[in-house]
Amino acid sequence: NAGVTQTPKFRVLKTGQSMTLLCAQDMNHEYMYWYRQDPGMGLRLIHYSVGEGTTAKGEVPDGYNVSRLKKQNFLLGLESAAPSQTSVYFCASGGMTGLAGANEQFFGPGTRLTVL
Amino acid sequence: LAKTTQPISMDSYEGQEVNITCSHNNIATNDYITWYQQFPSQGPRFIIQGYKTKVTNEVASLFIPADRKSSTLSLPRVSLSDTAVYYCLVGPSYHGSSNTGKLIFGQGTTLQVKP
Repeated sequence: NAGVTQTPKFRVLKTGQSMTLLCAQDMNHEYMYWYRQDPGMGLRLIHYSVGEGTTAKGEVPDGYNVSRLKKQNFLLGLESAAPSQTSVYFCASGGMTGLAGANEQFFGPGTRLTVL
Repeated sequence: LAKTTQPISMDSYEGQEVNITCSHNNIATNDYITWYQQFPSQGPRFIIQGYKTKVTNEVASLFIPADRKSSTLSLPRVSLSDTAVYYCLVGPSYHGSSNTGKLIFGQGTTLQVKP
């Protein structure tokens, strides 16, 4: 199993450009998440999904959109990138199996995004 | 979602036991306490979860008093490779809650293990 994979690993954008980050998981998890982590800070939840076709806002959803058309994929879109969106983006997935239930999240390797 | 408070940083030496305490005064009846570990340039990794009393696995122990307003992560005999940021989180872990799986990561505790 590959676990959680993220594409791309690095990206540099100019202000106003758009892009989509792709997250894929092969563990058949119901829940998927997008976080951002700024230097020296904890992770902040952007959007999450509790199942295929559903999405919900997290702590910092402004400037981002998401889609979960397939259970294994969760897309994060930036329609008009701003320098404040420079960050490391982590995707995670989780399920109800195991003792820890939905609180055991499996994280991808991250995408480093720089907006100039 | 319950807010958590934990020390910003801690230092220890190899071979010592490290205890990191987290306070969560507003924990709800259905909330579980979950701890994650994060190394630089990596995503967080699940360590342990508990509801009350004591939980132990191959990596750590988690102590939760009866009032559940705090919890302590215990790392036995730490090594240099345990240098990382440790996050304490609370939240429901089952279907049926609108907050299921919705975890809030604070700043965490940066543990520095010295030789």
